[in-house]
Amino acid sequence: DIQMTQSPTSLSASVGDRVTITCRASQNIRGYLNWFQQKPGEAPKLLIYATSSVQSGVPSRFSGSGSGTDFTLTISSLQPEDFATYYCQQSYSTPKYTFGQGTKLEIK
Amino acid sequence: EVQFLESGGGLVQPGGSLRLSCATSGFTFSNYAISWVRQAPGKGLEWVSSISGSGGSTFHADSVKGRFIISRDSSRNTVYLQMSSLTADDTAIYYCANIGRNPLDPWGQGTQVTVSS
Repeated sequence: DIQMTQSPTSLSASVGDRVTITCRASQNIRGYLNWFQQKPGEAPKLLIYATSSVQSGVPSRFSGSGSGTDFTLTISSLQPEDFATYYCQQSYSTPKYTFGQGTKLEIK
Repeated sequence: EVQFLESGGGLVQPGGSLRLSCATSGFTFSNYAISWVRQAPGKGLEWVSSISGSGGSTFHADSVKGRFIISRDSSRNTVYLQMSSLTADDTAIYYCANIGRNPLDPWGQGTQVTVSS
């Protein structure tokens, strides 16, 4: 099974900061990588699919990159509404999917 | 507009059974595999089960294999998750979603399953 490892698991940052979250797969997943945002009490929300395609309605400050086994989610300028938990998820071994353990982004 | 609406959760005793439903709309049902994803209290997201668009193939995580069965009814655009031999470790919010290579959004709000005596 494909394992997904995110780093860091938690992160403190300030409004306006540039933030990067990393996700590493245990094998080549050929770019089939999704990113989700989840706020307390809410369902996960799709931000990025296929490594770098931004979901409709998602602000342009969110971007994704990577290939092979290493991927990143970048928020170019943190806004107050961005403080949440972020998950990566591989869709390469469809339909046996795997999520990363999550990265909690908190206000500094 | 894509919609997923989960139902059927509740409080069940250890060893008991429960059937979850996921009513969908806003997309061509038979074209999409549907998955169940769960989230235990304070924990991350865990993929549980998936069923292909045709319903001909099903997959389960090792943690639920032999206890959970996923199925779909194309006449109702609905996916089901039959859960049996439930334990406290199955306590979670259960979401249905399409999380494939071109995933659908948004997810539903989920349904709470609590296993306790």
